[in-house]
Amino acid sequence: SQQGEEDPQALSIQEGENATMNCSYKTSINNLQWYRQNSGRGLVHLILIRSNEREKHSGRLRVTLDTSKKSSSLLITASRAADTASYFCATVLFSGGYNKLIFGAGTRLAVHP
Amino acid sequence: NAGVTQTPKFQVLKTGQSMTLQCAQDMNHNSMYWYRQDPGMGLRLIYYSASEGTTDKGEVPNGYNVSRLNKREFSLRLESAAPSQTSVYFCASKWGGPINSNQPQHFGDGTRLSIL
Repeated sequence: SQQGEEDPQALSIQEGENATMNCSYKTSINNLQWYRQNSGRGLVHLILIRSNEREKHSGRLRVTLDTSKKSSSLLITASRAADTASYFCATVLFSGGYNKLIFGAGTRLAVHP
Repeated sequence: NAGVTQTPKFQVLKTGQSMTLQCAQDMNHNSMYWYRQDPGMGLRLIYYSASEGTTDKGEVPNGYNVSRLNKREFSLRLESAAPSQTSVYFCASKWGGPINSNQPQHFGDGTRLSIL
């Protein structure tokens, strides 16, 4: 079973609204990363939050991490049509002699003009 | 600055054929990775390479081989393609070794592979 699972699977909003995506995971982690994937393209790293951090900001992005609940959220404020993409959380855990990046199945975000 | 470049972008194979997917990065990264992405699932690690001359298995290595030709290039080979290997394949790289967890991975745009 997957380490990270995003919720919701799909989200449809209007430009200017906020978008919130959640990620839950199962085991202790070193850090958690969020990536964006535009249609037909590779993943692009958005933000990394360490296990001892609770909140991090980058431009219109806000990420929170609650290690007691094993969950993280990604908030995109004042969304734009260009934010339309799939968003993946990836947990980093040490297993088999290296730090694995374990991806969830992603949230598909559609932002309508 | 090209980043991570993958070739080809698309390929159709018949069952039993072989092919090599190419990946090159120009960021002087030590670690390189091959993933596959299937509908409704996250990326799954096939193989990774911590440095030139070293490779290790990931979660789903069966049916694949890899070569770390030099620091820049990391290729993935399907010796006898099967329909179950129809997927989108992504190469990634990052600074530092596989023990370093605080560096992001940089991805290519993928190779879309269909096996009939």
